[in-house]
Amino acid sequence: DAKTTQPPSMDCAEGRAANLPCNHSTISGNEYVYWYRQIHSQGPQYIIHGLKNNETNEMASLIITEDRKSSTLILPHATLRDTAVYYCIVRGPGSARQLTFGSGTQLTVLP
Amino acid sequence: EAGVAQSPRYKIIEKRQSVAFWCNPISGHATLYWYQQILGQGPKLLIQFQNNGVVDDSQLPKDRFSAERLKGVDSTLKIQPAKLEDSAVYLCASSSQGGESYEQYFGPGTRLTVT
Repeated sequence: DAKTTQPPSMDCAEGRAANLPCNHSTISGNEYVYWYRQIHSQGPQYIIHGLKNNETNEMASLIITEDRKSSTLILPHATLRDTAVYYCIVRGPGSARQLTFGSGTQLTVLP
Repeated sequence: EAGVAQSPRYKIIEKRQSVAFWCNPISGHATLYWYQQILGQGPKLLIQFQNNGVVDDSQLPKDRFSAERLKGVDSTLKIQPAKLEDSAVYLCASSSQGGESYEQYFGPGTRLTVT
């Protein structure tokens, strides 16, 4: 599975959009981009995943560049409860494959 | 739907002692994972089960760590003897097999402190 690069930390004002970048320049054509987050003292939580097209669900939007070498997770209206470590993970096809976590981005939503 | 259950939530032991963690996955989930998360790092996979068979245990320190998943449901992870560097949060996760369900569901974890 391809490696990912994320900034170690970011701040965002409450109510504003949080845009979390991820670089995955060595991604292969059949590898998916996943985002998980981990709130303090909890287990990681799935947010969203995508292959080529942009994706949106009730939690967030995922924007993947046309060359698929980078992506951005967007939390449209960040709240204090969105303060967490956000992990961008690239994984090959197959629902049972393991997740390889990096160090993630610590997002702090400020009041 | 009940989530992934883990116990105990916290454990403090002295080095060279043994400890066991228990995990009950989401009902019907065929795949079960154990991850180790050291403070300040992302989770690292220790072992993956598909039903009651081991799929990947390449990162499990087999001289001291063992895991089993009898009957393809609950799982136990054991450390014997524990070392100081085993202090970490041990996370259990499960996922269903096939289809579009790529999500892994994580339990709250067990925080182990080895003194």
